[in-house]
Amino acid sequence: GNSVTQMEGPVTLSEEAFLTINCTYTATGYPSLFWYVQYPGEGLQLLLKATKADDKGSNKGFEATYRKETTSFHLEKGSVQVSDSAVYFCALTQAGTALIFGKGTTLSVSS
Amino acid sequence: GAGVSQSPRYKVAKRGQDVALRCDPISGHVSLFWYQQALGQGPEFLTYFQNEAQLDKSGLPSDRFFAERPEGSVSTLKIQRTQQEDSAVYLCASSSQAFAHSGANVLTFGAGSRLTVL
Repeated sequence: GNSVTQMEGPVTLSEEAFLTINCTYTATGYPSLFWYVQYPGEGLQLLLKATKADDKGSNKGFEATYRKETTSFHLEKGSVQVSDSAVYFCALTQAGTALIFGKGTTLSVSS
Repeated sequence: GAGVSQSPRYKVAKRGQDVALRCDPISGHVSLFWYQQALGQGPEFLTYFQNEAQLDKSGLPSDRFFAERPEGSVSTLKIQRTQQEDSAVYLCASSSQAFAHSGANVLTFGAGSRLTVL
């Protein structure tokens, strides 16, 4: 069945460092891919998405490119801030299946 | 309302008790989802409603879990005879889209109800 694998955390960075959180997926066909973020005490929020191969999703300085050849959707940001500290979830969906999440990666940014 | 509201935020139950968790979706949203998030894991799908119709309940782990949305707005997730393995955060999400599982279907999540079964 479909699945999402993302790098285990926690990821600890200093402010202004470069961030990469790896995400790979297994799916038949052509899923849509998402990154959700969960700030402390809040609900999951959609960060960005891509619905077809080679699409790049971007929001708040974060980017991820849908790579079909490597079945990946890695999350990147050039310069993280303390306010980016949160749990990040990679997810996929395709017609007829529910949204499937990875286990989440905790990011902690210090000043 | 402005967002998805869930109550209670925290619930402690003794093993064997019944619990009910409430979700108030965004007004007018036709789709409503329940997810279960165990500690250190990602959310896992439980069930989906389109208006008052429960179109997918394939993720409900046992017949002790029951969900309803009688008037197509507020939803309740009920767990009967709770067990320790039911301890988790239960997330509700809603969407303005009518399609259950689609790349265009952006979900708005509530903050969750954390259930602890002793």
